[in-house]
Amino acid sequence: QVKLQQSGAELVKPGASVKLSCKTSGYTFSTSYMSWFKQIPGQSIEWIGMIYAGDGGTGYNQKFKGKATLTVDTSSSTAYMDLSSLTTEDSAVYFCARNEQPRGFDYWGQGVMVTVSS
Amino acid sequence: DIQMTQSPSFLSASVGERVTLSCKASQNINKYLDWYQQKLGEAPKLLIYNTNNLHTGIPSRFSGSGSGTDYTLTISSLQPEDVATYFCLQRNSWPLTFGSGTKLEIK
Repeated sequence: QVKLQQSGAELVKPGASVKLSCKTSGYTFSTSYMSWFKQIPGQSIEWIGMIYAGDGGTGYNQKFKGKATLTVDTSSSTAYMDLSSLTTEDSAVYFCARNEQPRGFDYWGQGVMVTVSS
Repeated sequence: DIQMTQSPSFLSASVGERVTLSCKASQNINKYLDWYQQKLGEAPKLLIYNTNNLHTGIPSRFSGSGSGTDYTLTISSLQPEDVATYFCLQRNSWPLTFGSGTKLEIK
């Protein structure tokens, strides 16, 4: 069965960076698309961007350009998102989700809470 | 960016009642509209994709309709396990954008 397992909660200081992981299993990762999302608890969801694991090609929401960098490691079927120059406004839950056309986002990671605090 | 407006923000209904949630886009999204259910503390769960396609394993009491800028999610007979927040998502153009959600509770 398809699984997306995200790394654990992070507590980071303002100005620092953090790298989140999303380890997948149960499907062919190397020909798939993965998106990342941000959700402040109690609020709606924002799409950060998407990466194609086949060639590492990416597309970003303009709002997150310079903030988020998406990469993949096909040898371990894992997607990553680097968040840089963190501020308190980056404190949120971040999700990865498989994008399987035409169905949209059919499988999601469990989410990881990132807290930015001094 | 395409703005997605959901209504109502909050809905309280009785078990067995028919429930309708709305989502309006700021421009034509060509039926590239999905519905997600999110329970407290969980990841979103895909219910409906491309307006009216029921995702695998989703109960048939959920259905979607719409076109152009106006879309609807209907629950034909509300069940206690349907308590959640429901989000619409447009995938017509980047950046993908979600509605602000409808929080559904049992009366």
